Amino acid sequence: TQLLEQSPQFLSIQEGENLTVYCNSSSVFSSLQWYRQEPGEGPVLLVTVVTGGEVKKLKRLTFQFGDARKDSSLHITAAQPGDTGLYLCAGVKRGSNYKLTFGKGTLLTVNP
Amino acid sequence: DAGVIQSPRHEVTEMGQEVTLRCKPISGHNSLFWYRQTMMRGLELLIYFNNNVPIDDSGMPEDRFSAKMPNASFSTLKIQPSEPRDSAVYFCASSFGTGGQGPYSNQPQHFGDGTRLSIL
Repeated sequence: TQLLEQSPQFLSIQEGENLTVYCNSSSVFSSLQWYRQEPGEGPVLLVTVVTGGEVKKLKRLTFQFGDARKDSSLHITAAQPGDTGLYLCAGVKRGSNYKLTFGKGTLLTVNP
Repeated sequence: DAGVIQSPRHEVTEMGQEVTLRCKPISGHNSLFWYRQTMMRGLELLIYFNNNVPIDDSGMPEDRFSAKMPNASFSTLKIQPSEPRDSAVYFCASSFGTGGQGPYSNQPQHFGDGTRLSIL
């Protein structure tokens, strides 16, 4: 059983569309991070959320941490081809101070 | 600044051979992580070092895997003997962390570009 379930697994959209991807768990996390990974490269951190209900914005990307700190979402407005990549969520469970548990990711393709 | 540097980028070898993956963390970072990424299981933590000391190796699959960090600027992950099921992308990441004890620092992990390992 995957600790962090990400959905959808694959998403292919046209440039200019909006989208939301989800990261869900039955466990409570001290913090949750979102990474983007491009082919042939390692994941790159986009944002860290630590407070239940927290919303963070990074240009056209909006990240939300659930009130109960068990889930998170990433919303992209007016997607661009440069947004293409694998989006990974990763959480630090309560009781740990270093161990990131990763979801399997959402592979996003934005077509021009 | 240089990021995390991994070598080799690609490795293809026959089963039974010894494989050594190398990592140079970002200067000044005191935490180092080895991960394995596969389609089936995603990114999995193999081992975590803090101040060159292995803190958590519970993710190491079996005795065929070993990791060392002889100093703050170098780490190796060794597989001996290698098997086809070890084929994956192996990532090294570093951060400035508080270690096995104490509060979570929220410091981001910086990943290298990985080693794509194929065991035939």
